[in-house]
Amino acid sequence: AQSVTQLDSQVPVFEEAPVELRCNYSSSVSVYLFWYVQYPNQGLQLLLKYLSGSTLVKGINGFEAEFNKSQTSFHLRKPSVHISDTAEYFCAGSNSGYSTLTFGKGTMLLVSP
Amino acid sequence: DAGITQSPRYKITETGRQVTLMCHQTWSHSYMFWYRQDLGHGLRLIYYSAAADITDKGEVPDGYVVSRSKTENFPLTLESATRSQTSVYFCASSGSSWEIMFFGPGTRLTVL
Repeated sequence: AQSVTQLDSQVPVFEEAPVELRCNYSSSVSVYLFWYVQYPNQGLQLLLKYLSGSTLVKGINGFEAEFNKSQTSFHLRKPSVHISDTAEYFCAGSNSGYSTLTFGKGTMLLVSP
Repeated sequence: DAGITQSPRYKITETGRQVTLMCHQTWSHSYMFWYRQDLGHGLRLIYYSAAADITDKGEVPDGYVVSRSKTENFPLTLESATRSQTSVYFCASSGSSWEIMFFGPGTRLTVL
C-alpha cells in the first residue's frame, strides 16, 4: 500500500512570502498523488492531482506541485501566499484508485500579516 | 441544492448507543466514501461503495456498518458507539476512479 509522509505539521509564513509544503511517498511502480486543502470547519477540497504526464502540476488558487520520482516527493508550492491561504493541507497518494487512497497527517499553513 | 450533504453536523451520544450518520449526494456519482479524521492521523477510510448495493471495507471498518440501497445515499451506522469513535466523519463522492472527489462538510461526533 502507498504511504505518504508530510514532513511538517505546521508552517508559519508571512503574507506575500513564498511557501513550500513537503510531501514524500513510498516508491511504487505506479503512483497517483493529490493535494487537498481544508478550511476551518469544512470538508476537503482538491487543489491539484498528478496522474501521469507533465511532472509540474498546476492547481487552483495559484498552487503548483512537482512530481519528483527520484526523490519520491510531491511538494506543494505557492510563490506568494495570502492570509486566506491559512488552512490545513493534505497530501494523498494511491496505487490503484480512490479505495486505496492514503492521506498524510496534514500540514497547517499559518499566514500572518 | 446540488452537492453533497451530511446530517447531523454535530452529534453527542453515549457509549453503547446506535448512531447513524447520513450522507446524500445529488450528482448520481457511482463512488461514495466514509472517512474519519483524527488529530495526528489525517483521514482514514472506513468504508466505500462503488455503486448501489456494492460496499467494501476500508482501513478502519470495525464497529461500523454501511448500506447503499440508493445511489444518492450512503448512511454510516455505529452499532454500539465507543469513546474511540469520537471523531469528525467525512463523506465523499466521485463519478469514477480518478474524477474529482467531493467531500461533504463533515459530522462531528462525540461519544461520552
